Amino acid sequence: TQLLEQSPQFLSIQEGENLTVYCNSSSVFSSLQWYRQEPGEGPVLLVTVVTGGEVKKLKRLTFQFGDARKDSSLHITAAQPGDTGLYLCADRTGTASKLTFGTGTRLQVTL
Amino acid sequence: EAGVAQSPRYKIIEKRQSVAFWCNPISGHATLYWYQQILGQGPKLLIQFQNNGVVDDSQLPKDRFSAERLKGVDSTLKIQPAKLEDSAVYLCASSSNYGYTFGSGTRLTVV
Repeated sequence: TQLLEQSPQFLSIQEGENLTVYCNSSSVFSSLQWYRQEPGEGPVLLVTVVTGGEVKKLKRLTFQFGDARKDSSLHITAAQPGDTGLYLCADRTGTASKLTFGTGTRLQVTL
Repeated sequence: EAGVAQSPRYKIIEKRQSVAFWCNPISGHATLYWYQQILGQGPKLLIQFQNNGVVDDSQLPKDRFSAERLKGVDSTLKIQPAKLEDSAVYLCASSSNYGYTFGSGTRLTVV
């Protein structure tokens, strides 16, 4: 069974600070996805990465996929209160597209 | 397009009672998923349907949980009898080739 560990578990920062969260898998990712989940809502897809070493940018968010395709990081530049939420990495596997989620990083950005 | 609809949003029941959740996926999405998200954790797949057939129910506690998807459209998830550890958010999702869409979930509290 694949295990996805995320760190840190909690992060509380002030607006304008930079941060990085990490996702490590016990096995090679098939297709790595990052989601953000706000309170009372379902997860919303941020990005999908497939190729080892790939870097994707989404405005102030930078996603890196490790060369060995077993780890990933999400870097947020100049965090804003709107970035507050639960960040989840996930592996989308197989023709049935099952999602295996990580343990999550809860981010709080204050003014 | 309309999103994934779930009801109810909240439910409080006593242990040993039964409860049912309803999900209506995005029109045309053949695949439907039920995930359980315990507070502070990532979602865990309970069951996956392709049209009205079960693809994966390996993590569904079948002694107390059941799910059906009649006519390949909406779905219900039932718990009978409920235990305290079933307190969680139950998320429904549907998918196409372009990605997943999650509903807002049903928050279940078992007291």
